[in-house]
Amino acid sequence: GQQLNQSPQSMFIQEGEDVSMNCTSSSIFNTWLWYKQDPGEGPVLLIALYKAGELTSNGRLTAQFGITRKDSFLNISASIPSDVGIYFCAGQLSTSGNTPLVFGKGTRLSVIA
Amino acid sequence: DAGVIQSPRHEVTEMGQEVTLRCKPISGHDYLFWYRQTMMRGLELLIYFNNNVPIDDSGMPEDRFSAKMPNASFSTLKIQPSEPRDSAVYFCASSSHSGSRELFFGEGSRLTVL
Repeated sequence: GQQLNQSPQSMFIQEGEDVSMNCTSSSIFNTWLWYKQDPGEGPVLLIALYKAGELTSNGRLTAQFGITRKDSFLNISASIPSDVGIYFCAGQLSTSGNTPLVFGKGTRLSVIA
Repeated sequence: DAGVIQSPRHEVTEMGQEVTLRCKPISGHDYLFWYRQTMMRGLELLIYFNNNVPIDDSGMPEDRFSAKMPNASFSTLKIQPSEPRDSAVYFCASSSHSGSRELFFGEGSRLTVL
């Protein structure tokens, strides 16, 4: 099936640093979403993107829908300890209407205080 | 509003036993999804329903896995017989028709098969 390549797989950063992660695909997506999963919990939606080129912020988080529709990135500014978790990108294919999301394998973020 | 509710949160069982995982979607949501999460494979879609009807079960690993949705507020995922390689966290998620791209996940059921 379709796959999303998410990178990096893991990150160790100092508190206060900015973080950047991205997702790429060989297919065109018409929706990109970013989820965060805290330990022992289910993923929670952070940001949804619906238009190519769209740049959306949610507090210290900023995500962009790539112009080619084949990529997206998520930035976290001034990281804090509660940013720890796994961040997933997810996309929906453009030709498939109401189809389920395809998820990346996640970026595991660790923040060192 | 209550979110997606899954039970049990944790299950430890022996190989060969039947396992039933349960899910109550968010009221009013007409899509329900079952995912499996492992370190190696990440989040895998097993099956999804629309208005209680299974739409795509191509992700179900094999015949040992079955899922039902008898009504709009309840779904089960059953594994019979269970095997150690079924050990994973199983998530249920739901969405509304208008926003089916935005999934709301339950807290997951962690299954360990010994």
